[in-house]
This record gives sequence, structure tokens and C-alpha cells, in this order.
Amino acid sequence: KQEVTQIPAALSVPEGENLVLNCSFTDSAIYNLQWFRQDPGKGLTSLLLIQSSQREQTSGRLNASLDKSSGRSTLYIAASQPGDSATYLCAVGTGANNLFFGTGTRLTVIP
Amino acid sequence: EAGVTQSPTHLIKTRGQQATLRCSPISGHTSVYWYQQALGLGLQFLLWYDEGEERNRGNFPPRFSGRQFPNYSSELNVNALELEDSALYLCASRRQGAGNGYTFGSGTRLTVV
Repeated sequence: KQEVTQIPAALSVPEGENLVLNCSFTDSAIYNLQWFRQDPGKGLTSLLLIQSSQREQTSGRLNASLDKSSGRSTLYIAASQPGDSATYLCAVGTGANNLFFGTGTRLTVIP
Repeated sequence: EAGVTQSPTHLIKTRGQQATLRCSPISGHTSVYWYQQALGLGLQFLLWYDEGEERNRGNFPPRFSGRQFPNYSSELNVNALELEDSALYLCASRRQGAGNGYTFGSGTRLTVV
């Protein structure tokens, strides 16, 4: 069974700092990997979707990479802002329409 | 393009009652997925519907059920509510195809008292 782990569980950084969130998965037979953001008590907002054949995706200040062979993905956030404070979840899409979620990283950006 | 919409936003029920949660997918998406997110826990897969049929279900008891209508909207029913059913219930929709991503709604907060 696919297991997805995110490190660190929580992260606190000063505003303006660049940061990296990590995601690892145990089974490399994936279709894609998706990064989401979740504000407290709210739904999930999709940030980036990387196909299994891709190495990275970029959107604004966000860049996500994927190394399928090693079972790793990173989400890079440049020039962090207080509005980036949220929980970030990575999710691996596999066959049979399964989406396996990581445990999340709770990010706090201090003004 | 309208996103995935869920209703109601909040729902308070008494233990033993039934709850019905609703989800409207993005236009063109035929698959609807339900997830449970209990406080302090991760997202747990509940059910997957596609083209009106239940395709897969997670490790939940039979009192969690649902259906998908011809317009691809879906409802989740939880019977004989228990206190531990209190959670945020999230619905996602997706266009079928290996590379397509999931779009989530804002969720329904169910509180069982």
C-alpha cells in the first residue's frame, strides 16, 4: 500500500524567507502528484499537479519537483508571505483512482 | 467555471440521527470522491462514484453510503450517527483520465452531539 510522508510536520519562518517542503512516497508506480493548500477548517486548494513523466511544475512563487525513482517531491516557496500560512498537503495519484495523502506540513510565516 | 460546491457548510445532528451531505462537481467531471477529515487526523478516503455507480469505497462501515445522480452530483448519507463521525467531509471531482487532477470543494463540517 502506498504511504506518503511529509517532513517537517510544522515549520515557522520569518517573512521573505525561501523554504522547502518535503514529500516522500513508498511506491514509485504513480500517475501524478498533486500539492494542495488547506486553511484551517476549509477545503483543499490545488496548487500544482505534476505528471509522472514530468520533473517539475511552476506557478508564481511556487515550484514543485518530482523524482519518481527515489519517491520524493519538494515544494519550494520563494519569498514567503504571511498569507502563505496554511497546511500544505501532497497527494499521490495511483491506479484505481486512488489518491493517497501525506500527513501535511503546517507552515507559519511570521511578519 | 464554477468549482466543486458542497452543501450545507455546517450541519449539527444528534447521535443516532441521519445526515445527508451534497456535492456538485465541476461541469464535465464524471467522478466524485468523498473524504473524511476528523480533527487532528489526515484525509481518509470514503467513496468514489463514476457514471452513477459506486466504484470503490474505503474502510468505513456500511452506514456510510451515497449515490450519484444522472447530472453527476452526489450525496453522502451517514446513518446512525456516532460522536466520532464529527469531521470535515470533503468532496472532490475529477475528469476521468490517468493524468487528471482532483478539485476539492470547501467541505461540510458535521458535528454530532
